[in-house]
Amino acid sequence: NAGVTQTPKFRVLKTGQSMTLLCAQDMNHEYMYWYRQDPGMGLRLIHYSVGEGTTAKGEVPDGYNVSRLKKQNFLLGLESAAPSQTSVYFCASSYESRGISTDTQYFGPGTRLTVL
Amino acid sequence: GENVEQHPSTLSVQEGDSAVIKCTYSDSASNYFPWYKQELGKRPQLIIDIRSNVGEKKDQRIAVTLNKTAKHFSLHITETQPEDSAVYFCAATTNAGGTSYGKLTFGQGTILTVHP
Repeated sequence: NAGVTQTPKFRVLKTGQSMTLLCAQDMNHEYMYWYRQDPGMGLRLIHYSVGEGTTAKGEVPDGYNVSRLKKQNFLLGLESAAPSQTSVYFCASSYESRGISTDTQYFGPGTRLTVL
Repeated sequence: GENVEQHPSTLSVQEGDSAVIKCTYSDSASNYFPWYKQELGKRPQLIIDIRSNVGEKKDQRIAVTLNKTAKHFSLHITETQPEDSAVYFCAATTNAGGTSYGKLTFGQGTILTVHP
């Protein structure tokens, strides 16, 4: 199993450009999450999904959109990138047992995004 | 919402010494507390976790203690080794396994350096 993978690993954007980050997991997990990591601020939840076709806002959702058309994929979109979105983005997933989250999250390798 | 404070932000120890990192949380309903280790340029990886129905959990040189009354939990690393050098994050989630969908609130991180 590859676990949780992210594409791309690095990206440089100009202000106003758009892009999509792809997260894929092959563990049949129900729950998926997008975080951003900034120095001194830990990881902050952007959006999450509790199953195929569902999405919900996290702590810092502004400027981002997400989609979960397939259970194994969770996409994070930036419609008009801003320098404040320069960060490292991590995707994570977790599985459920008997219909509820088991809480343990498995992280992808991260995407380092720079917005000039 | 939940707020997690982590101290210290940096910790430097000599090889063989013990290291202690402390976190406090605000939501008394939180009942799942994981600790993640993140090496430079790598993804966060779960090293130990504890649920609110226990006060302490050990795994070889690592232990976590939880004080629900005071709303704080701590990571203890004994006989530290240079390979323990990394950033450590605590996290908390409310109503784990229920409608929280496993959403984690992270502390700001502690940079641990173990000197040979």
